[in-house]
Order: sequence, then structure tokens, then C-alpha cells
Amino acid sequence: DTGVSQDPRHKITKRGQNVTFRCDPISEHNRLYWYRQTLGQGPEFLTYFQNEAQLEKSRLLSDRFSAERPKGSFSTLEIQRTEQGDSAMYLCASISSYNSPLHFGNGTRLTVT
Amino acid sequence: KQEVTQIPAALSVPEGENLVLNCSFTDSAIYNLQWFRQDPGKGLTSLLLIQSSQREQTSGRLNASLDKSSGRSTLYIAASQPGDSATYLCAVVAASWGGSEKLVFGKGTKLTVNP
Repeated sequence: DTGVSQDPRHKITKRGQNVTFRCDPISEHNRLYWYRQTLGQGPEFLTYFQNEAQLEKSRLLSDRFSAERPKGSFSTLEIQRTEQGDSAMYLCASISSYNSPLHFGNGTRLTVT
Repeated sequence: KQEVTQIPAALSVPEGENLVLNCSFTDSAIYNLQWFRQDPGKGLTSLLLIQSSQREQTSGRLNASLDKSSGRSTLYIAASQPGDSATYLCAVVAASWGGSEKLVFGKGTKLTVNP
């Protein structure tokens, strides 16, 4: 169990640029989640995959956001035409089975200038 | 819509003190409740998971209770240590078979344990 890995840890970008984040879940975990956390708030659900299928998306996930999990292993989250309001910590988590604790990565902190 | 509230928002205690963190949720139809710890700039670490049929869970100096009917949970930390300083987050999973099991989080309680 090497834990959930996220890359990069920090990303600073200018408004209007596109960014992509990567998440490598724990290898045997078939469920993968993306959450977003802003300062002083709890994480908010963005989207969820079971294997390669994206099964649920939050209304927070505007059409500028897209997430993939092409082979049911790693996942990417892309934000197009970034805005200052996108500045946040983006957290990835995975889980092995129903009613099990969620394992989080250390997140990618995005700053849009 | 499920809402989770944590009180207090911040707590400062001297080392060795026992303390209680509170969590309340508006919809009692939950699948489970989880407590997490978050250190500054880091991800979340799972501390305890209480299934909806359970009343409490214990791990070392931590004890979490669940009263589903009243929509409340508490996290009890015994003999606090400076290393316990962190933000503690409570989250619930709505009961819906075949659903995503997404977590709804509170805003957390920032705990400082002073040596």
C-alpha cells in the first residue's frame, strides 16, 4: 500500500490557461473520487469513478472541468480557461469497497493569478 | 440536502486534557460517518468510521460516538498531546444503495494542544 499519489503538489498558473492534475490511487481500489477544498472549508465532492466509468458529477463541475480515468487506474482532472475562483486544493481519494474508509492523497494546490 | 456542522470552529487546550469535538448532521438517513484529521497543507487521514448500525468506535486515545436519530456525533480525545494539533473533519455518507458514497463534510474544528 503506497498510498494515493497526486501530481503536481503545487501549480501556479495565469488566468485563462489550462491545467491538468494527475492522481494515482491505491492499486486495488476501483473507486476514485475528486474533491475540492478552499481555505477554512471542508472538501466538496466533484466527481466519482468506478473503474473507468464516471458515474457522478457535481454541479460544481462546470463545463470547463473534465475528468478521465482511461484504464481504470490513474485519473486526470483538467481545468480549461482557469479563473481566479478555481484557486483551491484539489484532493483525490480512493476506496476499496463499500463502507470502507476513504484514502486521500496530499492534494494539488492550484493558484490562479 | 445534507448539511454537516462542527462546533467549535477552533479549540485550544493544554497538554494532557481530555476533549470532545462535536458534529451534527441534518438528515439522519446516513450510511456511515467518518472522522478525519488534516494537517496544514496536507490531505486527510481517516481516523474512525462508524457504520449507521453502530453506536461507537475506538482507536487508541480516540473514541467516536454516533446518535443517528438526533443527528449527532462526538469525537473524544483522551490525554491530548501537542502532536494531536490539527484540523478534525467530520463527514457523512448518505444512505442510497448503488450510489457514489460521496462524503458531505463539515468545515472542521482546528485543535491546538499547547505544551
